[in-house]
Amino acid sequence: DSGVTQTPKHLITATGQRVTLRCSPRSGDLSVYWYQQSLDQGLQFLIQYYNGEERAKGNILERFSAQQFPDLHSELNLSSLELGDSALYFCASSAADRVVGYGYTFGSGTRLTVV
Amino acid sequence: AQSVTQLGSHVSVSEGALVLLRCNYSSSVPPYLFWYVQYPNQGLQLLLKYTSAATLVKGINGFEAEFKKSETSFHLTKPSAHMSDAAEYFCAVSDRYTGRRALTFGSGTRLQVQP
Repeated sequence: DSGVTQTPKHLITATGQRVTLRCSPRSGDLSVYWYQQSLDQGLQFLIQYYNGEERAKGNILERFSAQQFPDLHSELNLSSLELGDSALYFCASSAADRVVGYGYTFGSGTRLTVV
Repeated sequence: AQSVTQLGSHVSVSEGALVLLRCNYSSSVPPYLFWYVQYPNQGLQLLLKYTSAATLVKGINGFEAEFKKSETSFHLTKPSAHMSDAAEYFCAVSDRYTGRRALTFGSGTRLQVQP
């Protein structure tokens, strides 16, 4: 157990729908990062939050949004889902705002299947 | 932007043989470098990291990596492969000086260990 908790583990939904993925960071970590892992794109950074504030954006689609709550858990919202959004979505956490050599701790991911 | 290239999307070795997984980074300034491992249906786990303290870095499960500035490489090795090493391995990089907040991952190398 890495200490980073992601729910649900699996999600199957239809095209056009909206889903919410949840992440609780490791105790004491203030940063949450979201990554998308797909066969054709590999691991793509989506967005980072630090202590409730958005800090960095990667290749995140406009249909996707995220937030981090006062208790530091984060949610990734995916809307108007398309078949191509099917992927593994990972959350990772770290203590610092920037990567300072410690790396991240990853959760076990949410596998999203859009049918 | 920083990037890493992992040569070989698939590597197959026999049990007991040397494991060598290649990673080259693109940067004129030595970055932070990481190797992560992903077992089937699991998240990414940190194997080891380079933060300039030593060029030969030892990690978990008998893996080590050597930072070679002249070759811009950070190859991962293990003297003797074990069946349990079968997994996907990712090299990742972070810019030390510009404060880039997210790790950039390579495309991954799937290691197969033959009995």
